[in-house]
Amino acid sequence: KAGVTQTPRYLIKTRGQQVTLSCSPISGHRSVSWYQQTPGQGLQFLFEYFSETQRNKGNFPGRFSGRQFSNSRSEMNVSTLELGDSALYLCASSEMRDRELFFGEGSRLTVL
Amino acid sequence: DQQVKQNSPSLSVQEGRISILNCDYTNSMFDYFLWYKKYPAEGPTFLISISSIKDKNEDGRFTVFLNKSAKHLSLHIVPSQPGDSAVYFCAAIPTYGGATNKLIFGTGTLLAVQP
Repeated sequence: KAGVTQTPRYLIKTRGQQVTLSCSPISGHRSVSWYQQTPGQGLQFLFEYFSETQRNKGNFPGRFSGRQFSNSRSEMNVSTLELGDSALYLCASSEMRDRELFFGEGSRLTVL
Repeated sequence: DQQVKQNSPSLSVQEGRISILNCDYTNSMFDYFLWYKKYPAEGPTFLISISSIKDKNEDGRFTVFLNKSAKHLSLHIVPSQPGDSAVYFCAAIPTYGGATNKLIFGTGTLLAVQP
């Protein structure tokens, strides 16, 4: 069974630009959540999607948004990028909202 | 405000000895706790979990202990192996009306197991 796939793995953007990150969950997994990892901050919850509906949202500004498609694939978008948005963005999936998450390798975003 | 804290950023242990990683939390409304391991350039991998109604859960070399009165949990690895060298994150799930995958993570502890 293929794992969680995130694309792109690495990307560089400049301030003010916007970025879209993609996540393909494990086949059969309906829940997808997104986390941001920055040095010294651990992993911070961004959003959780289940059956195409956002179920939970973390404490991030409205520049961070996401969606889930009918095939459970998910995208997150960050608009008007700031230097502080440089981070590893991790996507995780699970069969239900049952807590044991399977993480992808992440998309490392650098904002210059 | 960091609700889940891992106060030791790093830990070094000799191969074969016990590794003890600690985690403290401030919110008594957490009802489920998990430990994840993360190697560089990889996503975190689930290790072990414990419900708030238990005080111990064991899985092979890994045991998690929960002390609710102290709001403290710990992960014991016995015996430690060089392949255990990684960053370990504890995570907590707040009590909601239903299921959720919103995990509150600590900042991680880098474990180095010396051969």
